[in-house]
Amino acid sequence: ETGVTQTPRHLVMGMTNKKSLKCEQHLGHNAMYWYKQSAKKPLELMFVYSLEERVENNSVPSRFSPECPNSSHLFLHLHTLQPEDSALYLCASSQVPGDPSYEQYFGPGTRLTVT
Amino acid sequence: GQNIDQPTEMTATEGAIVQINCTYQTSGFNGLFWYQQHAGEAPTFLSYNVLDGLEEKGRFSSFLSRSKGYSYLLLKELQMKDSASYLCAVVDSNYQLIWGAGTKLIIKP
Repeated sequence: ETGVTQTPRHLVMGMTNKKSLKCEQHLGHNAMYWYKQSAKKPLELMFVYSLEERVENNSVPSRFSPECPNSSHLFLHLHTLQPEDSALYLCASSQVPGDPSYEQYFGPGTRLTVT
Repeated sequence: GQNIDQPTEMTATEGAIVQINCTYQTSGFNGLFWYQQHAGEAPTFLSYNVLDGLEEKGRFSSFLSRSKGYSYLLLKELQMKDSASYLCAVVDSNYQLIWGAGTKLIIKP
């Protein structure tokens, strides 16, 4: 595997379910990010981890819970989501911890549908 | 507030040239990115400008004017594979990335 991978690629879940999104980067980077991408809207930064410490949490509802067990893996735990949470969730990583002046490498995303 | 503006959609012809504009109003400036995103795929890095002027990279060029809060991405010799969304993003004074909504570029034969 190379670059940034995400699983699953597609997820349909009910509002009472609990699921997790997984991201793995094979680039030796020290910073990882979760973004939400909705149609015709700008990318929304949700969380940033730098050297496995959370450095950014942009007023994201508590039904989204991130976890970064090491510098290569990032999870987004989901529970009691709402239909408006349906979107593409993108993971990214970069070389310099927490400094977005450096190029971010994105995964292909998880297309989430909440029913 | 902070704002990035770019056209929602543009159409161009194969072999032609297209310019995608991006204007921004942010609290400070520490650089501007352009990314390409094909449908159903990850965004991929195209360019990064932090100083005024034109940066050329093959068929793609990116221009920045900090005094005008303006950038453009220039695509030459358009190919069908250039059909994608192009995302503009600015790094503000807090080193936060502020993203535009993207420009969907449609290439016609």
